[in-house]
Amino acid sequence: QKEVEQNSGPLSVPEGAIASLNCTYSDRGSQSFFWYRQYSGKSPELIMSIYSNGDKEDGRFTAQLNKASQYVSLLIRDSQPSDSATYLCAVPSGSARQLTFGSGTQLTVLP
Amino acid sequence: ETGVTQTPRHLVMGMTNKKSLKCEQHLGHNAMYWYKQSAKKPLELMFVYNFKEQTENNSVPSRFSPECPNSSHLFLHLHTLQPEDSALYLCASSQERLEETQYFGPGTRLLVL
Repeated sequence: QKEVEQNSGPLSVPEGAIASLNCTYSDRGSQSFFWYRQYSGKSPELIMSIYSNGDKEDGRFTAQLNKASQYVSLLIRDSQPSDSATYLCAVPSGSARQLTFGSGTQLTVLP
Repeated sequence: ETGVTQTPRHLVMGMTNKKSLKCEQHLGHNAMYWYKQSAKKPLELMFVYNFKEQTENNSVPSRFSPECPNSSHLFLHLHTLQPEDSALYLCASSQERLEETQYFGPGTRLLVL
């Protein structure tokens, strides 16, 4: 089992819709969780971090964490074409607590 | 300059060349990282430095040699690379611990001919 798994997509949603991105992780000891956005040809940029079970909202973005199910998700409300990018889930894993990245989900928001 | 900077942004080199990638962070962080990102593959952590000391080396071939002279600067020395080493090389930094938020530089796009 991969340490961090994401649906690779591609995921396409119409403009204005809600985009739902999912991530599962294997290390039950993980305490912090990150979502990064990476535009084509650019480096990853942090958009959300979450540490506690439940929801965390920041503008149009909501991160949801369920430690019992080892599941973290990212919801993007009112999706815009500018949200089209690859979204990376990252979770500290292993004895060294290295930040392990998922393979990313490619999101396309259609005008 | 703010954040994390990397130079050069693009590099083309032959398999017999020696080159170096440079990273500088202006965030006052104490941990710095090198990642490799190849097409269609997840980010791969290569090296970790914490307070200038190398704490992780994820089975990276010896043709990649990191150097961290101080907490703000990180280098990746390259020699006798292979075409499969062509990738985006990303530098990142965080305050201290691995679990904390990492901030990435713009990357160096490397092509090995």
